Amino acid sequence: DAMVIQNPRYQVTQFGKPVTLSCSQTLNHNVMYWYQQKSSQAPKLLFHYYDKDFNNEADTPDNFQSRRPNTSFCFLDIRSPGLGDAAMYLCATSRDLMATNEKLFFGSGTQLSVL
Amino acid sequence: AQKVTQAQTEISVVEKEDVTLDCVYETRDTTYYLFWYKQPPSGELVFLIRRNSFDEQNEISGRYSWNFQKSTSSFNFTITASQVVDSAVYFCALTWGLSNFGNEKLTFGTGTRLTIIP
Repeated sequence: DAMVIQNPRYQVTQFGKPVTLSCSQTLNHNVMYWYQQKSSQAPKLLFHYYDKDFNNEADTPDNFQSRRPNTSFCFLDIRSPGLGDAAMYLCATSRDLMATNEKLFFGSGTQLSVL
Repeated sequence: AQKVTQAQTEISVVEKEDVTLDCVYETRDTTYYLFWYKQPPSGELVFLIRRNSFDEQNEISGRYSWNFQKSTSSFNFTITASQVVDSAVYFCALTWGLSNFGNEKLTFGTGTRLTIIP
């Protein structure tokens, strides 16, 4: 059974039209992450939540926002998608912070296309 | 700076051959953790192994084995008797530090696309 679930699997949006990607987890993990992975590139961390504490990476554009209304759900909002935002977006969880030797559990990702 | 280099962009081998995926890392920290993840065509990254910097023992898990050498800052991954199901992109990754808040980033290499030819 999938433990980190991302919906939808494929998302198409128009240039400049806000879009929300969702992630849910059944692991009851404290930490949830959003990674962006462009074609043939390494996943790049956008931000993460440790419980309710939000932590943005310094180079994450302001165009990207996130919400975590409860332990199980986390959303990625792209306020005005540009063509350069087309990518696979991966949600991941860990029981605790990575520095404590945890491992990440990933969802299958949402492939975002921007027309 | 923390960095992971996977110099092999793509590798193709015939089924049943052995194959080694290279990973070289850079970090100034004495405490760090190394990982390998597999990303099959379905997209989900699957955890394979975690190794901390104080444990240089090599590990074997079935057809998979890992060679960690601090002297060369390498953490190479070998698949023995490869199978078609091993076809995927493999990422080596690094995180570092103790329990300091702010070290949560898992730095990935650019990945190696492995194709096993039947």
